[in-house]
Parts: sequence; C-alpha cells; structure tokens
Amino acid sequence: DIVMTQTPLSSPVTLGQPASISCRSSQSLVRSDGNTYLSWLQQRPGQPPRLLIYKISNRFSGVPDRFSGSGAGTDFTLKISRVAAEDVGIYYCMQGSQSPWTFGQGTKVEIK
Amino acid sequence: EVQLVESGGGLVQPGGSLRLSCAASGFTFSTYWMTWVRQTPAKGLEWVASIKEDGSEKYYVGSVRGRFTISRDNAKNSLYLQMNSLRAEDTAVYYCAKNGDYDLDVWGKGTTVTVSS
Repeated sequence: DIVMTQTPLSSPVTLGQPASISCRSSQSLVRSDGNTYLSWLQQRPGQPPRLLIYKISNRFSGVPDRFSGSGAGTDFTLKISRVAAEDVGIYYCMQGSQSPWTFGQGTKVEIK
Repeated sequence: EVQLVESGGGLVQPGGSLRLSCAASGFTFSTYWMTWVRQTPAKGLEWVASIKEDGSEKYYVGSVRGRFTISRDNAKNSLYLQMNSLRAEDTAVYYCAKNGDYDLDVWGKGTTVTVSS
C-alpha cells in the first residue's frame, strides 16, 4: 500500500498569514493514464471531510481561491494564501492512483 | 443539492452484524462509483470499499474482505454496507462518499458504529 506522510502534523497560524502543508507518498502517484490522482480534503470540527483540491492543483467547486495545490511525483503541497477563521480544521491528502486508496494522517490548522 | 445521508449505525457486540445504508439525492446515482470510508481517532481515515456504477465490480480493503459486502440499489438511489463478524477494531464513523475522478467529491455526515460487549 502507498503510505502518505504529511508534515507538519500541527500548524498554528496567524489570521491573514499563509500556511503550507506537505504530503509525501511512498511511491510515485503518476498513474498509467499519465494523471496524478492526489487530492486534498478539509475537515472542519464536527464536520465530515470535504474535497478541496483534486489532481494536484484543481480547486473543487466552491473552494476559495486562497487554496492552491502543487507538486508532482511523490511530493505535494497545499497552500492557504491568507488563513481565515473558517479554515480551522484538519487537512488530509489522499491518493487515488493505486488501490487501496490511502490518506495522510492529517495536519491540524489552528489559529495562534 | 447533492446529498448523501447515512444510517444504520449503532452498538453491536463482537461477532455481530450491522447493515449501513446511504441515501443519495441531487445527482444521477446510477452513473457514479460509490465508496465507504471509515474514520477513527487512532487510524484516521481509511478507505473501506468501492462499487462500480452497475454493481459489477467491488473492491475492499484487506482487513474487511470476506466480512463486509458493499452493494447498491440504483432504483432506490441507495448504497449499502453489510458488516458481519464485527470486531472491536471496526469501531469507527462510517462515511458514504461519491466518487469523482479517482477522488471523493461528496461525503455524507457519517454514521457511528461501536463494536463492544
């Protein structure tokens, strides 16, 4: 199984400041069709996960443009350009390139 | 509005069975793969099982293969997870999710399963 490792596990940030989360996979996520199926999910307190970013860098419907994704191969990054109060929660990366689909352990974003 | 609503969770003894349901609305259910994911504080998010649009293909994580069965009824816009021989380690919040392009683009609110004597 592909292991997804996120860093940091906790990220205290000041409102309006940027935040960055890294995700590394134990194998390349480039699938045979040439696509890389790395997505990012947000889980606000008491809520289910919600898709933010798919295929590395594509924002899902309704996701604010302060969220962006980048990376390739085995190294990926989620950036929040200016953290807002509603961004508090846990962020997960997920790979869908190889079965079984696997998730990172989560990064908690909290306000300083 | 696209919506997924899970039900059927509860307290069950080890070795017991439970059937989870997921009612889908707001999209053409029969044209999407569907997935069950579970979450625990200890292990985080874990993909459990997925099923093809017409139910002809099913995939399971190793720890549940042979004990859990995913199924669907496209006429009722419903997804199911039959869980047998339940163990303490199956205790989790179970989410129903709609598959996108090798991602999970809509999630239900979840239903809690507790396996304990």
